[in-house]
Amino acid sequence: DAGVIQSPRHEVTEMGQEVTLRCKPISGHDYLFWYRQTMMRGLELLIYFNNNVPIDDSGMPEDRFSAKMPNASFSTLKIQPSEPRDSAVYFCASSLAFGQRNSPLHFGNGTRLTVT
Amino acid sequence: SQQGEEDPQALSIQEGENATMNCSYKTSINNLQWYRQNSGRGLVHLILIRSNEREKHSGRLRVTLDTSKKSSSLLITASRAADTASYFCAPVLDTGRRALTFGSGTRLQVQP
Repeated sequence: DAGVIQSPRHEVTEMGQEVTLRCKPISGHDYLFWYRQTMMRGLELLIYFNNNVPIDDSGMPEDRFSAKMPNASFSTLKIQPSEPRDSAVYFCASSLAFGQRNSPLHFGNGTRLTVT
Repeated sequence: SQQGEEDPQALSIQEGENATMNCSYKTSINNLQWYRQNSGRGLVHLILIRSNEREKHSGRLRVTLDTSKKSSSLLITASRAADTASYFCAPVLDTGRRALTFGSGTRLQVQP
C-alpha cells in the first residue's frame, strides 16, 4: 500500500497566483480530510469528505479556498488568489469508515506552500 | 472546543528514560487517539483508547484515560533517539462533529 500521496511536496508561488494541491487517498478509504499546519495556529481542519461528498467545510478560511473530490481516488485543494498568509504545510488524510468505527487517520507527507 | 490540549509543550529527556505526556479535553468522548509527527512528515497514528477503557498498551507505549477528569496520558518507556517527535492527542466526540482536531502537541526531544 503506497499510503496517502500528496503532490507537489513543495510549492513556491507569487501572491495572486492560483495554487492547486493534490491528494490521492488510500484505496478503499471513504473519508478524506484536508488540514493546514502553521507554527502560529497549529494543525487546523479545513474540510472533510465522506464518499466524495463534502461534510463539513467550516474550517475553510475564506472563499479563496475551495476543495473538490471528483472521485474516490482524487481530491484537490485550490487557493485563488493566493496570499502570503496562506504559507503553510497542507496535509491530506484518509480513513476507512471513520464515522462508524473511528478508524485512525492516515496522513500524507504534506505540501509545503510558500507564497511570496 | 473539541480538540485536546497537550502538556507539557516541550520535553527533553535522555535516552533510556521514560517520557510522559498529558492530554486534557472538555467534552464527552467516544475514544481518544494519539499521533506522532516526525519533522517534515505527516502524523502517524499510535494508539486508540475507547471511553470504556482505562489503560492500553502497545509495545513501549502505555496510554491511560480518565473520563471523570477528562484527561489522558501517554507514557513512552525506555525512550530512544528515534522517539524524538511531536505527539498529539485527538479526542473523538461521542456525538456531533466526528472529525479529528488537534492541539499544539508536545515536542519530545530524546538526547542520545
